Amino acid sequence: DTQMTQSPSFVSASVGDRVTITCRASQGISNWLAWYQQKPGKAPKLLIYAASTLQSGVPSRFSGSGFGTDFTLTISSLKPEDFGNYYCQQAKYFPLTFGGGTKVEIK
Amino acid sequence: EVQLVESGGGMVQPGGSLRLSCEVSGLTVSDIYMTWVRQAPGKGLEWVSVINSAGRTWSADSVKDRFTISRDNSKNTVYLQMNNLRDEDTAVYYCARDMGWGSTASWCDYWGQGTLVTVSS
Repeated sequence: DTQMTQSPSFVSASVGDRVTITCRASQGISNWLAWYQQKPGKAPKLLIYAASTLQSGVPSRFSGSGFGTDFTLTISSLKPEDFGNYYCQQAKYFPLTFGGGTKVEIK
Repeated sequence: EVQLVESGGGMVQPGGSLRLSCEVSGLTVSDIYMTWVRQAPGKGLEWVSVINSAGRTWSADSVKDRFTISRDNSKNTVYLQMNNLRDEDTAVYYCARDMGWGSTASWCDYWGQGTLVTVSS
């Protein structure tokens, strides 16, 4: 199986900060990577797909980059509503796999 | 408007069975990929199973031979039949539309609200 390793597992940042989350795949996945945001008690929300394509309706402060095994999700200027858990997911190989998640807390 | 509504969750004893349903509106299940993803209490997301437009299915090793994904085109509904349930299957189960095509699954843009399955004696 393709293991997805996210870091950090927790980040506490202030409004306006730049936040970067990384995701590393155990084997090359080209650009078959998505990022989701999940708030407590809610379903995940697709933010980025194909590593860098912004899902419709998602604010432009979210961006994704990477190819192969190393990927990043960047929030350029953190807003209060950006708290929650963030997950990466690879879709190159079955079984599809998610990273362990990153909890973003607003200071 | 696209809506996915799960039902069928509840409490079941180890070794028991449940069938989850995901009723879809605004999309035609026979034309798309549909996926089940689960989340154990306080844990991360785990992909469970997917069915493509041709009816081909793929499942995680942890549920293979116990869980079966299927669909009823006339009801525009996708199912997850879960047999021989174990404690570790306790989770919120989400259905979602996968943006995949052909024999390629991808990522999910529409999600249901989730249904809780608790396996306990």
